[in-house]
Amino acid sequence: EVQMVESGGVVVQPGGSLRLSCAASGFTFDDYTMHWVRQTPGKGLEWVCLIRWDGGSTYYADSVKGRFTISRDNSKNSLYLQMNSLRSEDTAFYYCAKDSSGYDLGGFIDYWGQGTLVTVSS
Amino acid sequence: DIQMTQSPSSLSASVGDSVTITCRASQDINNYLAWYQQKPGKVPKLLIYAASTLESGVPSRFSGSGSGTDFTLTVSSLQAEDVATYYCQKYDSAPRTFGPGTKVDIK
Repeated sequence: EVQMVESGGVVVQPGGSLRLSCAASGFTFDDYTMHWVRQTPGKGLEWVCLIRWDGGSTYYADSVKGRFTISRDNSKNSLYLQMNSLRSEDTAFYYCAKDSSGYDLGGFIDYWGQGTLVTVSS
Repeated sequence: DIQMTQSPSSLSASVGDSVTITCRASQDINNYLAWYQQKPGKVPKLLIYAASTLESGVPSRFSGSGSGTDFTLTVSSLQAEDVATYYCQKYDSAPRTFGPGTKVDIK
């Protein structure tokens, strides 16, 4: 069974930093591109970033470019999101999501984790 | 960047009704379009990919169509368990933009 478990969501002050983790199981992690998607409570889905199977290619939404960094450790079946210079508008549930492909184009999200809540507030 | 729109933003229909949601891309995305269902308090679930391919296990009352810039999701006979918000997402290239969602409830 495909499973992703996110962790690391906490309350953090504006301007602060946070690192989210996602532990994956039930599939061959290093065969697939992975994503982070966020959702402000009660609002819509916002794609945040993706990383190719080998970590060799990453893409970001304009809203987080230069502040967030996606990375992965295939030896640990783990995905990460380093979040810096956090703003109130970054408050959201952050979902780890698996792509159907190992490439950075042409694959779709086929599985989602349960999410972890990040609250940016003073 | 390509923008994604959906209409309507919400709808209310009776059990057994046919319901159609429209998703539009601001530029041609071929058929790189997926549909997701998110029930209240739950994680999104993949319904359709490649604009019209039904994900395994998804009831056949769900169907998708379209190519290029205009796409539709149809629920042929709405059931109570279909109450959810439905999102389209493009996946031809980054950014992998989602539509704003369509909230479906029962009249």
